[in-house]
Amino acid sequence: GENVEQHPSTLSVQEGDSAVIKCTYSDSASNYFPWYKQELGKGPQLIIDIRSNVGEKKDQRIAVTLNKTAKHFSLHITETQPEDSAVYFCAASYGGGSNYKLTFGKGTLLTVNP
Amino acid sequence: DAGITQSPRHKVTETGTPVTLRCHQTENHRYMYWYRQDPGHGLRLIHYSYGVKDTDKGEVSDGYSVSRSKTEDFLLTLESATSSQTSVYFCATGQDDSYEQYFGPGTRLTVT
Repeated sequence: GENVEQHPSTLSVQEGDSAVIKCTYSDSASNYFPWYKQELGKGPQLIIDIRSNVGEKKDQRIAVTLNKTAKHFSLHITETQPEDSAVYFCAASYGGGSNYKLTFGKGTLLTVNP
Repeated sequence: DAGITQSPRHKVTETGTPVTLRCHQTENHRYMYWYRQDPGHGLRLIHYSYGVKDTDKGEVSDGYSVSRSKTEDFLLTLESATSSQTSVYFCATGQDDSYEQYFGPGTRLTVT
């Protein structure tokens, strides 16, 4: 099956700085890579995703990059704000066919200090 | 949250008792998933469903069973709860032909 490694497990930045979270995956057949944000006491929320035919995708202050050759992808948050503080999860698809399953990384706790 | 509700939101139960968690969706999504979330482990797939009465195992399915008798409801049953099943359980849904998943608010289960 798929294995996803996520680093770092915790990240603390000053408000206004950038934050980068990195993930690697093992299955070269994976073709969909989402990022989720989980606030305390809530369910994970999809914030951005990228498919294997794209190298980079941006949505305002967040961006995701994908390197299929190296099998790694990253989440970039610019101009961080206190409300960006949360746990972030990366994931990779696996199974193929009609099995739309995701394998998740273990998460990164991001703290943005005012 | 794609119209997903989970019940109960919190439950404390004793070892050896049966427990059923319910996930209800109003989006008519074909796929439904049950995950557990534990510190240091992230989200791990327990079971998933790809249609009414169509279910399959995930990576941590031992000790759990599921049922889906109608599109909107997906039940997770712990036949005989153990302390190792203390966790936060999340339901998610997904549309046909899509990997995008939308999560419910979670159920915190404590087995004493």
